[in-house]
Amino acid sequence: QVNLLQSGAALVKPGASVKLSCKASGYTFTDYYIHWVKQSHGKSLEWIGYINPNSGYTNYNEKFKSKATLTVDKSTNTAYMELSRLTSEDSATYYCTRRHFDYWGQGVMVTVSS
Amino acid sequence: DIQVTQSPSSLLASLGERVTITCQTSQSISNNLNWYQQKPGQAPMLLIYYATSLQTGMPSRFSGQYSGRSFTLTITSLEPEDIANYFCLQHYSAPFTFGSGTKLEIK
Repeated sequence: QVNLLQSGAALVKPGASVKLSCKASGYTFTDYYIHWVKQSHGKSLEWIGYINPNSGYTNYNEKFKSKATLTVDKSTNTAYMELSRLTSEDSATYYCTRRHFDYWGQGVMVTVSS
Repeated sequence: DIQVTQSPSSLLASLGERVTITCQTSQSISNNLNWYQQKPGQAPMLLIYYATSLQTGMPSRFSGQYSGRSFTLTITSLEPEDIANYFCLQHYSAPFTFGSGTKLEIK
């Protein structure tokens, strides 16, 4: 069965970076883009971008172009998102989801606080 | 960017009642819209894809329809386990955008 397993919650200081992971199983990793989605305050959702695991091609929401960097490691079927120069506005739950937005990871809460 | 306007933002309904939630897009997206259910502390769960197709395993009381730029999610008879947040997503063109969500509660 398809599963996207995300890394655990993170508490990070303002100005720092954090790298989130999303390990895929149950399907051919390179056949499906991986999207990343931000959910703030348990409510509103924003699409951050996607990566093609086969080619490494990325497409970002303009709003997150200077904030997020998407990468993959095909050898471990894992997608990564690095968030840089963190501020309180980046405190949220982040999800990875497969192309067509059918299967979602369990989400990871990032808290930015000193 | 395609704007997605979802209504209502909250909804009080009785068990057994028919419930309808609507998303309106700012431009035509054909049928490229999904509906999700999200319970507190959980990831979103796909209910309806491509506007009208019921995801495998989801109860048949959920259905989706669309006409032009207007999309509806209907629950034909509300069950206690349907209490959740519902939102739509347009996946026609990037940046992909979400509705603002509907909080469904029992009256």
